[in-house]
Amino acid sequence: DAGVIQSPRHEVTEMGQEVTLRCKPISGHNSLFWYRQTMMRGLELLIYFNNNVPIDDSGMPEDRFSAKMPNASFSTLKIQPSEPRDSAVYFCASSRLQGTTEAFFGQGTRLTVV
Amino acid sequence: AQSVTQLGSHVSVSEGALVLLRCNYSSSVPPYLFWYVQYPNQGLQLLLKYTTGATLVKGINGFEAEFKKSETSFHLTKPSAHMSDAAEYFCAVTPGAGNNRKLIWGLGTSLAVNP
Repeated sequence: DAGVIQSPRHEVTEMGQEVTLRCKPISGHNSLFWYRQTMMRGLELLIYFNNNVPIDDSGMPEDRFSAKMPNASFSTLKIQPSEPRDSAVYFCASSRLQGTTEAFFGQGTRLTVV
Repeated sequence: AQSVTQLGSHVSVSEGALVLLRCNYSSSVPPYLFWYVQYPNQGLQLLLKYTTGATLVKGINGFEAEFKKSETSFHLTKPSAHMSDAAEYFCAVTPGAGNNRKLIWGLGTSLAVNP
């Protein structure tokens, strides 16, 4: 399996622009997680889905952030409009609901908002 | 509710020395416990996990951890540190049953290995 695939790996955008991050989970996994990692705040869970349904979005910082999972093989995290404080590494992870359920992480998207 | 505490945000050891990274958790239900490693500019990679059964679990790269229910601990050890072990290490907990697969994370411990 190719693992969790995220795109793009790096994104530089200007403040106010819309940013869309993409994630393809591991085939057969039915839980998907979006995380944000910064030096100041560490690893934060933004939102997670079970069977394509958002279960907990309490970590989404504000209405500028939105996430979708239209099918089992694709998810997006959108920031509109972006701000410099959104600069971070964003990780997507997936796991199975059944069994021992360890999460597998993608390589991350490093977002820089200037 | 669950929580994870990693004692020591930075740990420094000499090459060949014992590595001990501490993790304590709280959980109202039997937990599943994990250690992940993150190398610079990479995603997190599973080192080892405890679910049920044997309380001493072995992982990749010579690491192991012991689940101690009485101490609510899951400390990570390696007998002899290698330069390549320098990385960030995260402890995490999740409920051992049900459909809640949300991981609760510690803040991480940065391990430095000195020659």
